[in-house]
Amino acid sequence: SQQGEEDPQALSIQEGENATMNCSYKTSINNLQWYRQNSGRGLVHLILIRSNEREKHSGRLRVTLDTSKKSSSLLITASRAADTASYFCATDVLGNQFYFGTGTSLTVIP
Amino acid sequence: DAGITQSPRHKVTETGTPVTLRCHQTENHRYMYWYRQDPGHGLRLIHYSYGVKDTDKGEVSDGYSVSRSKTEDFLLTLESATSSQTSVYFCAISAQGARDGYTFGSGTRLTVV
Repeated sequence: SQQGEEDPQALSIQEGENATMNCSYKTSINNLQWYRQNSGRGLVHLILIRSNEREKHSGRLRVTLDTSKKSSSLLITASRAADTASYFCATDVLGNQFYFGTGTSLTVIP
Repeated sequence: DAGITQSPRHKVTETGTPVTLRCHQTENHRYMYWYRQDPGHGLRLIHYSYGVKDTDKGEVSDGYSVSRSKTEDFLLTLESATSSQTSVYFCAISAQGARDGYTFGSGTRLTVV
């Protein structure tokens, strides 16, 4: 499978702390995306980073991409209880579709 | 989610019966996808469409078929449901395929008994 693998599988932090999740993948990619999924809901697109980019920001989110290590990280700064969710990375291989990892379950304790 | 709806939201069916799930979009996006989500497996692609009547298989397509006769609708059919197809099914749409973010529907929870 070409899916990314997120690490850690589960993460629990206090509100106000930063949360970092990592994603590793197996082959060269064109794009990598991060998604959030609240319990019982569909996935919500957070950010897309292209293979020629090293870092992107969106509000409290910071995504990095290291193509030499085939890895990406998602940093959520100043976390809130509302950030409690599962986070998935998705990598494209064949140009028309993304493969998803198994996700990191983040719990932010108020 | 805005612009994409899945129906039904929940369904219980018996082994061996055919089941059709519907994904409807109002965004006029070219690409549509069906994923299934199972514990420990994340989301796995079943089939996708890159235009009307243009479809292709994903990594877990066995036992599933799809049809797209018009831009707004993408149907997923389980020809003869099995218990291993108990899952949550998500539809997603995209304007530019993998160069773009996906918009996901709210999912269909299917139970095969």
